[in-house]
Order: sequence, then structure tokens, then C-alpha cells
Amino acid sequence: QVQLQESGPGLVKPSQTLSLTCTVSGGSISSGDYYWSWIRQHPGKGLEWIGYIYYSGSTYYNPSLKSRVTISVDTSENQFSLKLSSVTAADTAVYYCARRGDSIFDYWGQGTLVTVSS
Amino acid sequence: DIQMTQSPSSLSASVGDRVTITCRASQTISTYLNWYQQKPGKAPKLLIYAASSLQSGVPSRFSGSGSGTDFTLTISSLQPEDFATYYCQQSYTSPWTFGQGTKVEIK
Repeated sequence: QVQLQESGPGLVKPSQTLSLTCTVSGGSISSGDYYWSWIRQHPGKGLEWIGYIYYSGSTYYNPSLKSRVTISVDTSENQFSLKLSSVTAADTAVYYCARRGDSIFDYWGQGTLVTVSS
Repeated sequence: DIQMTQSPSSLSASVGDRVTITCRASQTISTYLNWYQQKPGKAPKLLIYAASSLQSGVPSRFSGSGSGTDFTLTISSLQPEDFATYYCQQSYTSPWTFGQGTKVEIK
């Protein structure tokens, strides 16, 4: 059973960079069949796809966030990471990592709340 | 971006009721439509993929239909554990987008 777990600071100051890591267990990021994704949910709101990465390092970002987003992968640690720069209060959200395979997000982490505040 | 619009935004229903949620895409997406269930404080859970295929382990009271721009999620007999928020998501083209959600509450 694949499991994903987000980790990182729960509080980030405005204008700084949000950094999160997703650790994958029960399966290898390098299997080649999946894209490793970040999705966020603003408090009480819907879901927004941020982007994803293939094990080779190829990345695909939502154009609405592309200028501020970097997703990277560490296959040796079976982890992938999100960096979101120049954050504002509008970036306060629950951030999920998820596995995308065959057009579906089939496994999700539990989510981590990141608050942007001074 | 493809906009996904769900209706209603919320509904109240009783255990045993038949519940129908609608999702409309701003352009045709064939059957590239998925449904997720989210309970408070939890991650979304995949229920239906490719418009009508039931994800493994999901009860058969859940069903999906539709193609093109109009889709439906049906719960044939609402159970206590089904009170949650439901989201549709298009997987036709990037950026992958979700509906705003439909909250199913206890009447």
C-alpha cells in the first residue's frame, strides 16, 4: 500500500519561500508509471493543482503559479519537494502531495496546513 | 483553463435517500472526469474515474455517468458515512481542474 507524507514548516513569513517535502513509502518514485503531484486547498475552499514531477525530473506546473513554483525529486530518498516563492496570505492553504497515474490522483498524503503570516 | 461547475453547492438529505450531484465542464472533456469524496480534516478519496468506473473498494451504491460536458454522481441509498463533500475533476487537459465541491449534509 502506497503512503505519502508531507513535512515542512507550518508557518511562513510573507515574501519568503514555502518549502515542503513528500516522503513516499510502499512504492518507488522511480517506478516510472506515475507523476508525483502537489495540490492545495485554501481554507474552506476547493482544490487547486500546483504541479507534478516525473521521476526523471520532468516537471509540469499550473500556469497560474508557474513563475513561483519549483518541484524537485530525490529518488535516492524516495521523496519529492515543493518550493513556492514570494508567498502572501493568499498562499495559506492545506498542501497535499498525491500520486497521479493514468489520469487519476489515486493516493494522497494527509495534508499539511501552511499559514503565511508575519 | 477548463472550468468545472458543480450543482448544487450543498444539499441536505436523509439516510436512505437517492442523491444526485451534477458537474458541468466549460468545454467537452469526453469521459475524462473523476469524482472524489472528502471528509473534514482528511484528504480527498477517489470514488469514480473515467466518468463511470468505480475505484476498487468503493461501495457499489456510488455510480457515475455522463460524457462531453455534463456528468452526474449518484449515491443510490445514502449511508451515514457518505456525509462529506464531493468534488469532480477533469483529466482531459492540463491544468487539471476541480469543481468547487458539493457538501452533502444530514437532514
